[in-house]
Amino acid sequence: NAGVTQTPKFRVLKTGQSMTLLCAQDMNHEYMYWYRQDPGMGLRLIHYSVGEGTTAKGEVPDGYNVSRLKKQNFLLGLESAAPSQTSVYFCASRRRPASYEQYFGPGTRLTVT
Amino acid sequence: EDKVVQSPLSLVVHEGDTVTLNCSYEVTNFRSLLWYKQEKKAPTFLFMLTSSGIEKKSGRLSSILDKKELSSILNITATQTGDSAIYLCGPWYQGGKLIFGQGTELSVKP
Repeated sequence: NAGVTQTPKFRVLKTGQSMTLLCAQDMNHEYMYWYRQDPGMGLRLIHYSVGEGTTAKGEVPDGYNVSRLKKQNFLLGLESAAPSQTSVYFCASRRRPASYEQYFGPGTRLTVT
Repeated sequence: EDKVVQSPLSLVVHEGDTVTLNCSYEVTNFRSLLWYKQEKKAPTFLFMLTSSGIEKKSGRLSSILDKKELSSILNITATQTGDSAIYLCGPWYQGGKLIFGQGTELSVKP
């Protein structure tokens, strides 16, 4: 049982390049989330999904797209990376409302030069 | 606009001190409030609070929710250097959305 995994762990992009971050969970959780964390800013919600095939915008969705084609995977895409997207990205998942805990992945450190 | 504010933003104490961290929120369709601890890696779960006035306790940590005041506090007694971390609070909305405050960075000196 791996929990929540994120791929890759580190990445350096040049401005304008695109990439996809993969989040996978093996706990059969319905809800999945993408956050970014910058110094002094806490965790800011980018997008989230309450089930396979559904996604919704969070607090800071601009410049990102997501897809949830399979229940266990939640992909975060950057179509044209900008230096402002340099951050640590965390994925998280949780069961339906009865669940107490939201489980986090280990994070992806992305640098855009 | 939905808002979560934590205070203080940073705090430096000595081992053995007691600290109180604050979280206030203004969100629509509030369901519960969650507290997490983050030590240079992914956040780890501490508490989930749903009902007002009922204290949740785990060792030296305790937390309580005040729905009337739209706030919560996290208390840590007899602090240890291992308590040094960022503490995050976040309201969980009906519908599954979960946002967080900017965090309180606690530093416990020996």
